[in-house]
Amino acid sequence: QKEVEQNSGPLSVPEGAIASLNCTYSDRGSQSFFWYRQYSGKSPELIMSIYSNGDKEDGRFTAQLNKASQYVSLLIRDSQPSDSATYLCAVENVGYGGSQGNLIFGKGTKLSVKP
Amino acid sequence: KAGVTQTPRYLIKTRGQQVTLSCSPISGHRSVSWYQQTPGQGLQFLFEYFSETQRNKGNFPGRFSGRQFSNSRSEMNVSTLELGDSALYLCASSLHRDRATISGYTFGSGTRLTVV
Repeated sequence: QKEVEQNSGPLSVPEGAIASLNCTYSDRGSQSFFWYRQYSGKSPELIMSIYSNGDKEDGRFTAQLNKASQYVSLLIRDSQPSDSATYLCAVENVGYGGSQGNLIFGKGTKLSVKP
Repeated sequence: KAGVTQTPRYLIKTRGQQVTLSCSPISGHRSVSWYQQTPGQGLQFLFEYFSETQRNKGNFPGRFSGRQFSNSRSEMNVSTLELGDSALYLCASSLHRDRATISGYTFGSGTRLTVV
C-alpha cells in the first residue's frame, strides 16, 4: 500500500513567521511531487510542483525534496492570515509501466496563521 | 479560459438510489480523473480516463463507474448508494496523461453528495 504521510495539525503560526509543512512518502519510484492548498469548502489548488532534489522557490513558497529520505516539505515565508488552509502533499503513483497517471494524496496539514 | 466544470454542485440522494455526476475539463485537456474526498480518508483516487478509455482505477467497488465522451467530458455513476458514499467528488483535468503528473491537475469545484 503506497502511502503519503502528513501531520494533520493544526499547525498554528503567527503572522509574518515561517510555516513549515512536511510530508513523507513510501514509493521510491515516485518522481513528481506537488503541494496543493485547499480552503475550507473549496477544491484543491496547485501551488507548487517539484521533481528534482533540492529547493524550488516561488514567491513566498519554497518546496524542498529529498528523494533519498523520501521527504518533501513546503516552507511559507512571511505567513499571512490568508494562508490559513489545509495543505495537501501529493506524490506521483508509479507502477511497473511507469507513471500510473494519478496522484496519491496525504490527508493534509491544517495551517492557521494568527494575526 | 474556462476551468473544470462539475455539475451539479450539491446532491441529496437516498440509500439505494443511483447518481450521475458530470465533469467538463479545460478545453484541450484529454485526461480526466475522479477523486472522492472524505474527512476520514482524504482524497482517494477513483479512476482516470484518457481519450475515452479508462486507463487506471482505484480501489473502489464496482458500484462506482465512469465514462468519457469524445469531447473529453466525463461522467461518473454510483449505483445502489450507501451512507458511506457521502463525500465531495472531485474531477481533475490535465493536458494529457503522459504529462498528467508533471504538470499537475486542475480540479473542479466538486459535487457534494449526501446520502440519507
